[in-house]
Amino acid sequence: KAGVTQTPRYLIKTRGQQVTLSCSPISGHRSVSWYQQTPGQGLQFLFEYFSETQRNKGNFPGRFSGRQFSNSRSEMNVSTLELGDSALYLCASSWRGGSYGYTFGSGTRLTVV
Amino acid sequence: EDKVVQSPLSLVVHEGDTVTLNCSYEVTNFRSLLWYKQEKKAPTFLFMLTSSGIEKKSGRLSSILDKKELFSILNITATQTGDSAIYLCAVEREYQAGNNRKLIWGLGTSLAVNP
Repeated sequence: KAGVTQTPRYLIKTRGQQVTLSCSPISGHRSVSWYQQTPGQGLQFLFEYFSETQRNKGNFPGRFSGRQFSNSRSEMNVSTLELGDSALYLCASSWRGGSYGYTFGSGTRLTVV
Repeated sequence: EDKVVQSPLSLVVHEGDTVTLNCSYEVTNFRSLLWYKQEKKAPTFLFMLTSSGIEKKSGRLSSILDKKELFSILNITATQTGDSAIYLCAVEREYQAGNNRKLIWGLGTSLAVNP
């Protein structure tokens, strides 16, 4: 079966711009979580969506937002980009949000210049 | 506050060596502990541990959990250059019975295996 698909794979943006990243979960998975990964900081949890509702949220500023659609696909938006937002953004899907079947996508590499 | 601590943060070994990676945790309402391997981008699943003292094994990799001392180890025997990666540990906790679960991640151990 198809895995978790993230688009785009790479992105270069200018400071001040906004960006939208997309994540299509494994079929049947209703939970999508988003992470920011930078060297030395590990996986930083952004938020989790389950059945179109944000269920958990990490400690990121309001510039980071997300949503989930009825088909479980999720988007993440970052507004007013800063240089420090350059990172690998990973999404992971699972059936209901727990560890069972927790599968990552290949990520979107965002570079802010 | 929930936390997961991995050690060492980085490790350099020679092919054929045996390595032990550590993951300790302080997490409320523990449900499971997971190990992932991240080579380039997507972390890939290695093990899920829920019970103390039961070793999980896959080829040259094995892992065990100690719920009394709150830690897990990941062993890799006869290391190969293909084992070079970041190894991530996560602990699953439950917020409301059967309703909401979350993974708490460690920073990872960066392993480099030299030929």
